[in-house]
Amino acid sequence: DTAVSQTPKYLVTQMGNDKSIKCEQNLGHDTMYWYKQDSKKFLKIMFSYNNKELIINETVPNRFSPKSPDKAHLNLHINSLELGDSAVYFCASSQTGYTGELFFGEGSRLTVL
Amino acid sequence: QKEVEQNSGPLSVPEGAIASLNCTYSDRGSQSFFWYRQYSGKSPELIMFIYSNGDKEDGRFTAQLNKASQYVSLLIRDSQPSDSATYLCAVNRDFGNEKLTFGTGTRLTIIP
Repeated sequence: DTAVSQTPKYLVTQMGNDKSIKCEQNLGHDTMYWYKQDSKKFLKIMFSYNNKELIINETVPNRFSPKSPDKAHLNLHINSLELGDSAVYFCASSQTGYTGELFFGEGSRLTVL
Repeated sequence: QKEVEQNSGPLSVPEGAIASLNCTYSDRGSQSFFWYRQYSGKSPELIMFIYSNGDKEDGRFTAQLNKASQYVSLLIRDSQPSDSATYLCAVNRDFGNEKLTFGTGTRLTIIP
């Protein structure tokens, strides 16, 4: 009964390919996020959606396209993958107005060869 | 200068001792401060948050905030081997989680 689940957990692919990661939360939260964690453990926000509306779009190449079909789902599609895209991508959710907590998914480790 | 700085460690502390983790931030407008714990290969999980200057205690954990010095710390009393993890400091300009800026984390090892 996972609160924030993302699939797949591992992706290994070649440069130039396109890949997608899916995320779902069953916590009833209104805000969902994509974070990228690089090999040095630096965790950086990429996107945030509140009730399906994009509210944060950090300096991310437009090869990355998030999509939120409803407030419980947030997907990430990456076109033309590059070596530097290799990282762990975390989906997270939170409830606006509440203090304290981002709930993270287990992460999706992307390796671009 | 990084927005949120932490000593990457590793920090080694004997079991039962106090572990002290430190974090400085550059944005004077920061309002909310968080400590997340991340076990190897796992996702971050919230340990504590603090908004006001001073200390905030929760069990074996104490968060300390000094906005004038732009400094936040986490103390872990009676350290246990299960506390061995990477501790991520995060700050936000607002009261909430909408745009957390994370540090690179301090790796803590508790030695039995």
